[in-house]
Amino acid sequence: ELKVEQNPLFLSMQEGKNYTIYCNYSTTSDRLYWYRQDPGKSLESLFVLLSNGAVKQEGRLMASLDTKARLSTLHITAAVHDLSATYFCAVDRRGGGADGLTFGKGTHLIIQP
Amino acid sequence: EPEVTQTPSHQVTQMGQEVILRCVPISNHLYFYWYRQILGQKVEFLVSFYNNEISEKSEIFDDQFSVERPDGSNFTLKIRSTKLEDSAMYFCASHRDRSSGANVLTFGAGSRLTVL
Repeated sequence: ELKVEQNPLFLSMQEGKNYTIYCNYSTTSDRLYWYRQDPGKSLESLFVLLSNGAVKQEGRLMASLDTKARLSTLHITAAVHDLSATYFCAVDRRGGGADGLTFGKGTHLIIQP
Repeated sequence: EPEVTQTPSHQVTQMGQEVILRCVPISNHLYFYWYRQILGQKVEFLVSFYNNEISEKSEIFDDQFSVERPDGSNFTLKIRSTKLEDSAMYFCASHRDRSSGANVLTFGAGSRLTVL
């Protein structure tokens, strides 16, 4: 059974601090996806990591992928309140064309002033 | 920017009733999905659909569920006889193809189903 595990599941942090969210997965997939969900809203694609060693950055968020360790990280630099949301990582369900994604449980991030 | 449109945004129904949730995927997308999210929990795969047939379905997608693409634009999810545990947010998603090397799904805003 494909497993995607995130930690922490809940994170409360202060503005200006740095933190990392971890995503471990059990498949041999070399692709990993990060999504953001605001309360009561849909999922928004943040990053797609397509190969081992891939690193992508957007503003205060940086995602990386280590396929050998089956680990991805989402690093938050100098957090601001607007980054408060739930962050999901996901992997391909299978290698085929219409496989969709399997998601982790999400990390609920609260950033306090 | 193209988007996936879902209706209704919220539906309240009595247990045992049939519900149809509708989605209009992005027009040039080829792969379609339904996911559900029980309040505060993970996003769970239900079914994928390509070339007018189901490609894969999860164990959640039992005989009470069905999908169809009746007219080339709408993509519907039907729950034949709703149960209390079907209460959730249902997300439709789509993507074009795998030529980019990635399976990046575009999600709709969701349909919240409440079963009483």
